[in-house]
Amino acid sequence: LAKTTQPISMDSYEGQEVNITCSHNNIATNDYITWYQQFPSQGPRFIIQGYKTKVTNEVASLFIPADRKSSTLSLPRVSLSDTAVYYCLVGDPNFGNEKLTFGTGTRLTIIP
Amino acid sequence: DSGVTQTPKHLITATGQRVTLRCSPRSGDLSVYWYQQSLDQGLQFLIQYYNGEERAKGNILERFSAQQFPDLHSELNLSSLELGDSALYFCASSAGRGLSEKLFFGSGTQLSVL
Repeated sequence: LAKTTQPISMDSYEGQEVNITCSHNNIATNDYITWYQQFPSQGPRFIIQGYKTKVTNEVASLFIPADRKSSTLSLPRVSLSDTAVYYCLVGDPNFGNEKLTFGTGTRLTIIP
Repeated sequence: DSGVTQTPKHLITATGQRVTLRCSPRSGDLSVYWYQQSLDQGLQFLIQYYNGEERAKGNILERFSAQQFPDLHSELNLSSLELGDSALYFCASSAGRGLSEKLFFGSGTQLSVL
């Protein structure tokens, strides 16, 4: 049973807002939700993290509904350089917060 | 630059051999994580150490072992290598050990088993 579920791929045009949703039905009470970005042949890079409601930083926003069973990463006005794989990360409820397992990721392709 | 150093960057070896991958975490970070990424498997968690002690184990094969030394660097040992072990191996570090800790990834070691 997958711990997180994301769309396998998404396409968007430059300048658009992109929303990537992650489902995490078994999220534990103390778990945070974290998103990472990965370019080919590079290690993942932290984008944003949240626990509930909304978090915004200089590159993205993270929306988390009250039940916390899903989260949505929002990238405003994407550019070609945003083409990457995006991972949603939550703790494994069977092992506490210490088994940090990535999901399958969403391959985002930005079209000129 | 994440501050996490992995060596070597590339490693080519033959089946049946043994290799050691090395990771130096960011200064001050106590946790080290190892991940394996292959084309068909995505990013797979292998093992985590916190301040020298093993904290969590993922899908790590018995042929693989790891340790974290007193100076906090870590090594991942892969033995009896098979073709299917060819992958990109990432090390990450964080200050603490929970999910609220941000992970910083190294640039990886590309292992090719021929």
